[in-house]
Amino acid sequence: AQTVTQSQPEMSVQEAETVTLSCTYDTSESNYYLFWYKQPPSRQMILVIRQEAYKQQNATENRFSVNFQKAAKSFSLKISDSQLGDTAMYFCACINNAGNMLTFGGGTRLMVKP
Amino acid sequence: DTEVTQTPKHLVMGMTNKKSLKCEQHMGHRAMYWYKQKAKKPPELMFVYSYEKLSINESVPSRFSPECPNSSLLNLHLHALQPEDSALYLCASSAGGGAFYEQYFGPGTRLTVT
Repeated sequence: AQTVTQSQPEMSVQEAETVTLSCTYDTSESNYYLFWYKQPPSRQMILVIRQEAYKQQNATENRFSVNFQKAAKSFSLKISDSQLGDTAMYFCACINNAGNMLTFGGGTRLMVKP
Repeated sequence: DTEVTQTPKHLVMGMTNKKSLKCEQHMGHRAMYWYKQKAKKPPELMFVYSYEKLSINESVPSRFSPECPNSSLLNLHLHALQPEDSALYLCASSAGGGAFYEQYFGPGTRLTVT
């Protein structure tokens, strides 16, 4: 079983600035993957970035990067040079080794202000 | 084509009606999923199909009946629903059932039960 916790229900950031979204998780799996998904208002959910738990190097995708602290079971998302299109609900998620149970955190609603 | 399509976009049904939600993907994916998402909440897994066989049923009431006629199509049959079943129903697919594979989400069907 997995649990994922996002402690920030809402956040806001000025355009072009940097923001960090927090996520902690718990799992009994020896290997697992962690994800950040983005769900814009009235639009479909898309994958932002993913991290394989056995890889120590933090994943990066353009303006998005993660800070993966395995011992602390922490997986935060940093968005650099925030853009208006980044306004969305962000979900942190963990998937078990078998790949059939994707567990989401409660979400963080991010508002990017002009 | 990295698209998962869902029809209809919106559905209003009475508690005695029978309706179906449809999900389709043409990416050759072999795993498909149904999620339920209430407003301002994360998606909750309902069913998983792997290679057209039901592999996970997350204790979903029998008024929801999934069907996978072929590898590209996933249906969710609805009967005698309750008002609390009103939600966004998301379909997703992945290339395989392992943790490595990204889940691609459809735009969802917004269901209202009256």
